[in-house]
Amino acid sequence: DTGVSQDPRHKITKRGQNVTFRCDPISEHNRLYWYRQTLGQGPEFLTYFQNEAQLEKSRLLSDRFSAERPKGSFSTLEIQRTEQGDSAMYLCASSLVRDNSFETEAFFGQGTRLTVV
Amino acid sequence: GQNIDQPTEMTATEGAIVQINCTYQTSGFNGLFWYQQHAGEAPTFLSYNVLDGLEEKGRFSSFLSRSKGYSYLLLKELQMKDSASYLCAVRAPNAGKSTFGDGTTLTVKP
Repeated sequence: DTGVSQDPRHKITKRGQNVTFRCDPISEHNRLYWYRQTLGQGPEFLTYFQNEAQLEKSRLLSDRFSAERPKGSFSTLEIQRTEQGDSAMYLCASSLVRDNSFETEAFFGQGTRLTVV
Repeated sequence: GQNIDQPTEMTATEGAIVQINCTYQTSGFNGLFWYQQHAGEAPTFLSYNVLDGLEEKGRFSSFLSRSKGYSYLLLKELQMKDSASYLCAVRAPNAGKSTFGDGTTLTVKP
């Protein structure tokens, strides 16, 4: 297993365009998180999935953001009508929850750095 | 909600010991994590505390006091490669999401 992988690593887009990022978690992990991180800040929670179910979405997330995990494996994060304020590092992380109680630590991918010009 | 506070920057000398503090105010608690993040890279897991006390892992130790809402990360025998940002994160109860502090940038000097 090569860990959590994200694609692309970098994306430059014009304001108003749509972008989609992909995350492939560690294969046996059933939980998947999306975070956003800007320079000098810690990761900020966006949303997470348990298998294919999206269990929580941050109130800070506008309706231009949508995430899916259709088969409980890889996930996509789409941003519609991008704005300059969307420029950030988008991090994906995965973990394993056992018996609906114990959860391992989250392992992070390398992130997708989005620049909106 | 959750509020996490940690110093913005610290500097230490190679071979020395440094302690990075983290205080938190939360509406619930299900464990505290420390992550290391080098510039431009992903956060990597260092330690996890859910009960009070000290957890030791090689050169790194982490301490938790739940009653005080306080944790620290202790790094011994500092090496130049330890220069990085150290993130404190608190996991919410009944939900896996974690709230992160803004990180402490540690610079190790020769």
